[in-house]
Amino acid sequence: GDSVTQMEGPVTLSEEAFLTINCTYTATGYPSLFWYVQYPGEGLQLLLKATKADDKGSNKGFEATYRKETTSFHLEKGSVQVSDSAVYFCALFSSNTGKLIFGQGTTLQVKP
Amino acid sequence: DTGVSQDPRHKITKRGQNVTFRCDPISEHNRLYWYRQTLGQGPEFLTYFQNEAQLEKSRLLSDRFSAERPKGSFSTLEIQRTEQGDSAMYLCASRHRTSGGPDTQYFGPGTRLTVL
Repeated sequence: GDSVTQMEGPVTLSEEAFLTINCTYTATGYPSLFWYVQYPGEGLQLLLKATKADDKGSNKGFEATYRKETTSFHLEKGSVQVSDSAVYFCALFSSNTGKLIFGQGTTLQVKP
Repeated sequence: DTGVSQDPRHKITKRGQNVTFRCDPISEHNRLYWYRQTLGQGPEFLTYFQNEAQLEKSRLLSDRFSAERPKGSFSTLEIQRTEQGDSAMYLCASRHRTSGGPDTQYFGPGTRLTVL
């Protein structure tokens, strides 16, 4: 079945460091791909999305490119801030199943 | 647009008690989803509604769980005879079905259930 795999955390970085969180997926058909962010004690907020191959989603300095050939959707940011500390979830939506399927989440800790 | 709201935000109950959670979706969103998130994991799909019709239920949703969306607006999720394993964050999301648009779900803040 469809699935999403993320790199294990926690990822600990210093402020202004470069961030990469890896995400790969397995799906039939052509899913839409998403990154959500969850701050402590809160629900999920949509960070960015991409709906087809080679699309690049971007928001608040974060970017991710839909790579069909490698079935990946890695999240990147050039310079992280302490306020970016949160849990990041990669997810796919498959029109075949009608479901949003999440990875296990990656915790990011940014130190000043 | 006030976003998806959930009530209560936190619920502590004793094992064997019944609990009910409420979700108010974004206005005019015709699809509403329930997820369960346990500590250190991503959300897992429980069930979803299109308007008032419940279209799919996960096998995670045992017969102690029931969800309704009586008028196609707010939804309730009830858990009967709670067990300690029911302790989790219960998330609600809504989505507006638009042709050609991305399948984007917007999440509420969640209800954290603790069963003692």
